[in-house]
Amino acid sequence: DIQMTQSPSSLSASVGDRVTITCRTSQSISRYLNWYQQKPGKAPTLLIFGSSSLQSGVPSRFSGSGSGTDFTLTISSLQPEDFATYYCQQTYSIPLFGPGTKVDIK
Amino acid sequence: EVQLVESGGDLVQPGGSLRLSCAASGFSVSTNYMSWVRQAPGKGLEWVSVIYSGGSAYYADSVKGRFTISRHISKNTLYLQMNSLRADDTAVYYCARSQAAEFYYGMDVWGQGTTVTVSS
Repeated sequence: DIQMTQSPSSLSASVGDRVTITCRTSQSISRYLNWYQQKPGKAPTLLIFGSSSLQSGVPSRFSGSGSGTDFTLTISSLQPEDFATYYCQQTYSIPLFGPGTKVDIK
Repeated sequence: EVQLVESGGDLVQPGGSLRLSCAASGFSVSTNYMSWVRQAPGKGLEWVSVIYSGGSAYYADSVKGRFTISRHISKNTLYLQMNSLRADDTAVYYCARSQAAEFYYGMDVWGQGTTVTVSS
């Protein structure tokens, strides 16, 4: 089975900061990696699919990269509405979510 | 408008059963992959089950043999029949649409969630 890790598990940042979240898988998944944002009490929303494709309607400050086993989500300039938990998801095999990264206000 | 609305969550005793529904609008549940994803209190997301556009179904190991996913095409509704419920099935259950008839493009439409609590 594919194992997934995310780092860090949480981070504190300020508005305007550049934020990078890493997702690693235990075996190669090509580019079958998606990123979601979830705010408290709300359903997740899709940010990035296929490792680097920006979902329609998502601000361009979000970007994704990587292939194989190492992936990153970058927020180029953190905005107040970006404070949330971020999950990666591999879909190379039966879907599996990473453990999440909580981004809160410094 | 493309939308998913879940219902059916409730408080149920261990060993009991429950059926969740997910009513879709703006698209057909037979066109896309449709999944159930759950989130236990204070925990992360866990994929539970999928039904492919062709009708094949797959399950997470944690629910295999106890949960059954199905759909009613004319009602445009997705279901999750949950039997032999356990305390660790307690969660908010979301239905979600895959953006195409495959997982690569991610899950782009989610319902608001319905809460299942398994407790005596």
